[in-house]
Amino acid sequence: DGGITQSPKYLFRKEGQNVTLSCEQNLNHDAMYWYRQDPGQGLRLIYYSQIVNDFQKGDIAEGYSVSREKKESFPLTVTSAQKNPTAFYLCASRFRQGNTGELFFGEGSRLTVL
Amino acid sequence: AQSVTQLGSHVSVSEGALVLLRCNYSSSVPPYLFWYVQYPNQGLQLLLKYTSAATLVKGINGFEAEFKKSETSFHLTKPSAHMSDAAEYFCAVSEGGYQKVTFGIGTKLQVIP
Repeated sequence: DGGITQSPKYLFRKEGQNVTLSCEQNLNHDAMYWYRQDPGQGLRLIYYSQIVNDFQKGDIAEGYSVSREKKESFPLTVTSAQKNPTAFYLCASRFRQGNTGELFFGEGSRLTVL
Repeated sequence: AQSVTQLGSHVSVSEGALVLLRCNYSSSVPPYLFWYVQYPNQGLQLLLKYTSAATLVKGINGFEAEFKKSETSFHLTKPSAHMSDAAEYFCAVSEGGYQKVTFGIGTKLQVIP
């Protein structure tokens, strides 16, 4: 079955450590997205990528980094510069053009900083 | 710029009662509108979407939504709530294609037995 796989599901990190969240999709989607979810704040866009080897900052990119070396993969690194990294992280994807803009989501990764 | 307002961060209904979750949008062009559902510690799942084909949109699990341009609204309804409907619901707007998708803050639905 086609879908989006995020790993790990749960992750604990000590302050000062970088951590990388994985996102892989086999839907042949062009565009991929990372959102951060905090209680009562909805979904906030961190980074997005429309094509391989290109990505743009979203609304809250500070303290995060991404890469897009393959169409299927869009890993997110939460760096030590992110002041409040504890959150639920969602990866999404969709076709780039000729569609209604519908996003498909992974199951999420919950990061807790100890 | 597009935006979404969800009225009521928490809504409680009795099992079997009508579910009504409110969403108002703002968009500079004819929008595409979506409702997503999220269960605890899971991703978002598409319930239904409006793409200008019909103003009354039917989705999964018995939900439907009506697009009202004059009211800039896209409220989500279900005639009879079930315990399994307890979840968080997100309204979203997009201007289509590769344009940004903007989400509301979400409404948590509680179903009381």
